[in-house]
Parts: sequence; C-alpha cells; structure tokens
Amino acid sequence: KAGVTQTPRYLIKTRGQQVTLSCSPISGHRSVSWYQQTPGQGLQFLFEYFSETQRNKGNFPGRFSGRQFSNSRSEMNVSTLELGDSALYLCASSFDGTADLNGEAFFGQGTRLTVV
Amino acid sequence: AQRVTQPEKLLSVFKGAPVELKCNYSYSGSPELFWYVQYSRQRLQLLLRHISRESIKGFTADLNKGETSFHLKKPFAQEEDSAMYYCALWARGNNRLAFGKGNQVVVIP
Repeated sequence: KAGVTQTPRYLIKTRGQQVTLSCSPISGHRSVSWYQQTPGQGLQFLFEYFSETQRNKGNFPGRFSGRQFSNSRSEMNVSTLELGDSALYLCASSFDGTADLNGEAFFGQGTRLTVV
Repeated sequence: AQRVTQPEKLLSVFKGAPVELKCNYSYSGSPELFWYVQYSRQRLQLLLRHISRESIKGFTADLNKGETSFHLKKPFAQEEDSAMYYCALWARGNNRLAFGKGNQVVVIP
C-alpha cells in the first residue's frame, strides 16, 4: 500500500511569509502527527489530529497550526515565518494514534523548509 | 511529562566491532519504548519496540525499568548500519512520541 506522502518536498520562503505543508496518510489511518526535525533539537512534536480534531499539541507558538480533513489528509500552516523555522517537517500516520503492540507510526519523507 | 535522553550525538565504530547506543527516559507511568532509524535519504522507520522483544537486523534492546534505560546493541556492526538512530517513548493517553535527539552512527570499513 502507498506510504505517507508529504508535499512539497522542498520549500524556500522569506521571513514574514506563511507556508502550508500537506500530508496524506496511509489509507485507513485516521491519526496524523506532525514533527519538526532540526540538527540541534532532533524531533519535536507539534500536534496530532484524529478524525479532524486536534487531540494533542506540543510547545510551539500559535504561528504553527494545522487541520485535518474528512479524508484524513492533514495540512500544517506556519504564519509569519522566522529564520528559526527552517527545518525538516515530518508527518506520521497511524491507525488510531496509539503506538502499542499493534500500533505503529509511519513517517513521510518530510518537507524541507528553508526560511531566508 | 516524558523525556528521552541520548547522551552521545556521534558514534564511530569499526566494522565488526560492537555498537551500543544509550537511551534513558523519564516518565512516571508505564512506557512504551522504541528505536527508530533513518538511513541516508530515507524516511524515518521503526527499527524495534521493547514490547515485541525482537532482534531486528541484529539489533536488540532491553527495557530496564530500574535504570529507566532502553539501550540499543549490536554485537558486530556492519557498514549498512551507518544511520541516524532515535530512541522514542510513547506515553499511553498522550498520543505522542517523545524522541531523543538522536545518535549518528558511522561504521568505518
């Protein structure tokens, strides 16, 4: 089956602009989580959506937001971009958001955002 | 809150030598621990999870609740093991994976 798809793969934006990233989960998966990956901080959790509802949120400013559609596809939006937002943004899909014996998070290849 | 610590950023080992990646966690409840691997130009993928007690690609990891550790080990490193390794903890009811900062492993031929 098709894996998690993230678009676009690469983005270059200038400070102050906004950006929207997209994530299509594996068919049948209803949970989508977003992570920011940087060399210094590793992977940091942004938020998780399940059935169009945000269930959990990490410690990121309000400039970072997201949503999920009825087909489970998710978008992440960052407004008023800052240089420090440059990172690889990963999304992960799972059936129901759990990672127990039967659960597993599958990751996309990420969107590389560069803010100049 | 849960926290995962991987103390060494970069680990260089010779092919055939043992490799051990340390992972310590902090969590008040009963954790689910994982190791994820990211090979060059590939997506992050699950390597193994503590609950299944499997050996994957020669790697094993044992959860030690007394020491709050979940170290990853392989007795004989191979060149194809060169990758970034992340230890992760999933807290039941929290619906998030907390990752350590990762270990870059370089296997020298």
